[in-house]
Amino acid sequence: GAGVSQSPSNKVTEKGKDVELRCDPISGHTALYWYRQRLGQGLEFLIYFQGNSAPDKSGLPSDRFSAERTGESVSTLTIQRTQQEDSAVYLCASSYRGTGELFFGEGSRLTVL
Amino acid sequence: GENVEQHPSTLSVQEGDSAVIKCTYSDSASNYFPWYKQELGKRPQLIIDIRSNVGEKKDQRIAVTLNKTAKHFSLHITETQPEDSAVYFCAAKDGNTPLVFGKGTRLSVIA
Repeated sequence: GAGVSQSPSNKVTEKGKDVELRCDPISGHTALYWYRQRLGQGLEFLIYFQGNSAPDKSGLPSDRFSAERTGESVSTLTIQRTQQEDSAVYLCASSYRGTGELFFGEGSRLTVL
Repeated sequence: GENVEQHPSTLSVQEGDSAVIKCTYSDSASNYFPWYKQELGKRPQLIIDIRSNVGEKKDQRIAVTLNKTAKHFSLHITETQPEDSAVYFCAAKDGNTPLVFGKGTRLSVIA
């Protein structure tokens, strides 16, 4: 596609429910990132996929968070048993190989009631 | 892992003045230092980047300097305009590690 695509753009859920966020990176981009951005805050690294290497999960805040990527395509970020502090915009980004410009999606805004 | 500190957190300048944002990093192996601009409600976008084999890079009104010995790098914006108002993020990585961002600087250019 022309850019990084994320869905849903907005998600409202109740505390304790599970949510899945999807990211379609730019075709041919081997690197894929997930970041979390709370309102008015910075870009908090969550997880990094690079080609066929094991993902770098060092930024995941708890075991309620997990992510998968199928080959060099779609990635899904799953948050189990959501908490109010999980409310944020979840941004996906991809890049060609491991260095170089990151192209961000529009983000998925998650609101946990 | 890498840790990036960014200062100041907010910056107000008069239109036409210069703005400088500074970042430090912790991992001496880092060799790629990009800067991203995020306008209100928009996604972050790359504005300039520098690699460790150069000390300075310019693109029109924007320049970035890198001091590898001191592990710090800076963004300079000259002749600021109202459309420069945004949040700016610095970041650092080496070839195999994830890109880690600073906490951002909210720049306001006052007309």
